[in-house]
Amino acid sequence: KAGVTQTPRYLIKTRGQQVTLSCSPISGHRSVSWYQQTPGQGLQFLFEYFSETQRNKGNFPGRFSGRQFSNSRSEMNVSTLELGDSALYLCASSTGLLTDTQYFGPGTRLTVL
Amino acid sequence: AQTVTQSQPEMSVQEAETVTLSCTYDTSESDYYLFWYKQPPSRQMILVIRQEAYKQQNATENRFSVNFQKAAKSFSLKISDSQLGDAAMYFCASTGANSKLTFGKGITLSVRP
Repeated sequence: KAGVTQTPRYLIKTRGQQVTLSCSPISGHRSVSWYQQTPGQGLQFLFEYFSETQRNKGNFPGRFSGRQFSNSRSEMNVSTLELGDSALYLCASSTGLLTDTQYFGPGTRLTVL
Repeated sequence: AQTVTQSQPEMSVQEAETVTLSCTYDTSESDYYLFWYKQPPSRQMILVIRQEAYKQQNATENRFSVNFQKAAKSFSLKISDSQLGDAAMYFCASTGANSKLTFGKGITLSVRP
């Protein structure tokens, strides 16, 4: 099976712009979770989508949003970018069972100038 | 809420030797899962090993094993016969009633040839 894929791998944006990141889960997986990784804050949970519905949400402002499509692919959107949004954004997929392991994609490196 | 603590930011091990990475956690949940993930310099997060809290037997996966002390809320990872390819950042993580992963700050492991 193909692993989790994320596009694009690298992005450079300026403050105030918006950005959309994409994640394709492992075939058959219905859950996609998003994490932000920064040197200062480490890995932080953004949100999880399961069967096109947001199932869990972390403590991020409303500028961070997401959605999931019927084929389980997920997108994450960040509006009005700030310098502090520069980070590695990781997505992880699983079957959706709460006992299941999450498998990560390679990440999207976002730089905000 | 869950918290995961990795107090050692860096460790070094000689090739072929054994190293133990420490992790402590705190949770109010009775059913939870613990993980060790490896993130090599290429940034792809890889699952190393997982432990179900209800299982008393420590998980093992080839050269990797855990020492799970439930009463002490301790979950350390032992790497035997260390190899150069083991050099990476290692994250301890937990999940509970939902599928959100809570990560520790990570530890950078270097392997000396």
